[in-house]
Formats: sequence, structure tokens, C-alpha cells
Amino acid sequence: DGGITQSPKYLFRKEGQNVTLSCEQNLNHDAMYWYRQDPGQGLRLIYYSQIVNDFQKGDIAEGYSVSREKKESFPLTVTSAQKNPTAFYLCASSLTRTGTYEQYFGPGTRLTVT
Amino acid sequence: KQEVTQIPAALSVPEGENLVLNCSFTDSAIYNLQWFRQDPGKGLTSLLLIQSSQREQTSGRLNASLDKSSGRSTLYIAASQPGDSATYLCAGSSWGDKIIFGKGTRLHILP
Repeated sequence: DGGITQSPKYLFRKEGQNVTLSCEQNLNHDAMYWYRQDPGQGLRLIYYSQIVNDFQKGDIAEGYSVSREKKESFPLTVTSAQKNPTAFYLCASSLTRTGTYEQYFGPGTRLTVT
Repeated sequence: KQEVTQIPAALSVPEGENLVLNCSFTDSAIYNLQWFRQDPGKGLTSLLLIQSSQREQTSGRLNASLDKSSGRSTLYIAASQPGDSATYLCAGSSWGDKIIFGKGTRLHILP
């Protein structure tokens, strides 16, 4: 089955700790994205990558870091510098070569930091 | 910069009714418009994608239209069912720019 997987589904961390969220896709998509979703705020773009070994900041990149060493993988690290890390994190991918940029999403990871 | 708005934020309708969800955007040079469904605590499921050269797309009981001149897209759901209850989001992008999401309409179909 082709798709996007995110793990874990729920993640709990103590304040001051870095945490890495996993995102893997087997759709052979070029571009991958990380969004954060908070109640009443909609989705906000954290980082995106259109090609391996390259990525760009989105609207709320502060306190986050990413890497894109493989086409299939785009892990997101939430650092201790992120002031309000508790949120629902969504990973997405799209096939840019067709020009449609249709986005497909993973099931999400709910991060709780106390 | 593209902005996407969805009104109302929540909607309740009796089962069996046809309904329309609205999405408005500010940049008429929109490249594509995508509708998603999100169930509580889940990721987004793509429903329909309308490219800038298209006026509408259909999938089963769903029909999405795009009117670039008025800055509007609508998602029409025919013969609504309780299983249609979810949050529906629209998202648009201008060429070469990132996709912008609306905040969604929370739909409740009353049995």
C-alpha cells in the first residue's frame, strides 16, 4: 500500500527536551511538508522540501529543524527553543513533476509537552 | 499573498439534505484549489483537486467548483449522510507559492 506514515501517533515529552517526529512516504513524491495544527488556527507550514538535501522555512520555523537525506524521509525535530510545542503535527507530500502539487497527508502525531 | 477563508465555521443539517460549503480566496491567480476532509484526531484526506484551467471536479456525491473571477470555490455534497460528519478544509496556492489552508467548516449531519 502506498502512503505516508508518521510515528508515533502520540508523543509525550518533558519541557526542555528535543524530540524528533518521523515521516516516511513510499509514493515517490518529490516534495514533503510539515504542518502544525492548533485548535481554531488552521494548518500552519513549518518547513518544506522540494528535493533531497534541500529545504525551506515555512511560516513558523522557529524552534524546529528538519533534514532531507533521503527522498522517502523528512523527520522533524522540535527543539527546546520552541515555546509552545504541544500541538498536532501533520506531514504531507506532493508530486511536483506533474505540476498539480496535490497534497497527501499522513495520520499525524500529537505531541504533548509538560 | 493568498488568503483562504471558510464560512461558516460550523454547520448542522438533517440527514438527506444537499448542502454547499463555501471557500473564498483573495488571489485570483490561483493555481489549484484542493478540498480535504478531516475526522477528529486524524490526518487530512484529499477529496477533490481543481486545477486553474478547470471549473469543477466530481467524485461520487461530491462536486467542487472553482470561480477564479469571484474568488470562490464551493463543495457540494448530495444526499448527506451521518458518515459525512467531519471538518472540511479548502486550500489554495498561487503558482510557485506554498499552499494556504482555510480554517475549515465543521459539518454535523443529524440522523
